[in-house]
Amino acid sequence: DQQVKQNSPSLSVQEGRISILNCDYTNSMFDYFLWYKKYPAEGPTFLISISSIKDKNEDGRFTVFLNKSAKHLSLHIVPSQPGDSAVYFCAASPKYTGTASKLTFGTGTRLQVTL
Amino acid sequence: EAGVTQFPSHSVIEKGQTVTLRCDPISGHDNLYWYRRVMGKEIKFLLHFVKESKQDESGMPNNRFLAERTGGTYSTLKVQPAELEDSGVYFCASLPRGGKRTDTQYFGPGTRLTVL
Repeated sequence: DQQVKQNSPSLSVQEGRISILNCDYTNSMFDYFLWYKKYPAEGPTFLISISSIKDKNEDGRFTVFLNKSAKHLSLHIVPSQPGDSAVYFCAASPKYTGTASKLTFGTGTRLQVTL
Repeated sequence: EAGVTQFPSHSVIEKGQTVTLRCDPISGHDNLYWYRRVMGKEIKFLLHFVKESKQDESGMPNNRFLAERTGGTYSTLKVQPAELEDSGVYFCASLPRGGKRTDTQYFGPGTRLTVL
């Protein structure tokens, strides 16, 4: 039973345009969400996160939006650059469990930014 | 500061053989995690060490998998005997002592395991 879902396996966007990557979750205990970026032959690297007490978090070209009622979050990249081409994973962490807990990941969305 | 390192980067073995994967976390990081990604699927949690103790091993698939972290430094993940469905990329991640769940987990490059 997949608790974090990324329904778009791939996305192609032109350089300079906006990229929007989506993620849905089913577990109401999740209250901290992260996006990781992964290049081929490398491990995932942290990109941006958001706590459930917020509905938006911005870091440069990257903005994450959270809609708790819909159990949906999205990552916006504006403007998209060729170097953004990678696989993006959505991840979630449950409410405080007493220690640094595991992450639950989605299946990833491969973003290709074309010239 | 060196990042999380994993060895080997790629391993090809036959069904029934044994393989041992190694992870060296960032120096001083007490929290160490193992994850696995089967091709095209999600990155799945396997287990979590705090120093040498297993904090959470709820994601370990079965008793063919054995993880150790003697001395609380590097960790090994042994698969014995390997089955076809064990193929995938095994990631290790680490987090500093006292790390909170809102802290960033640092991932290694992964070990790609292919079982033929």
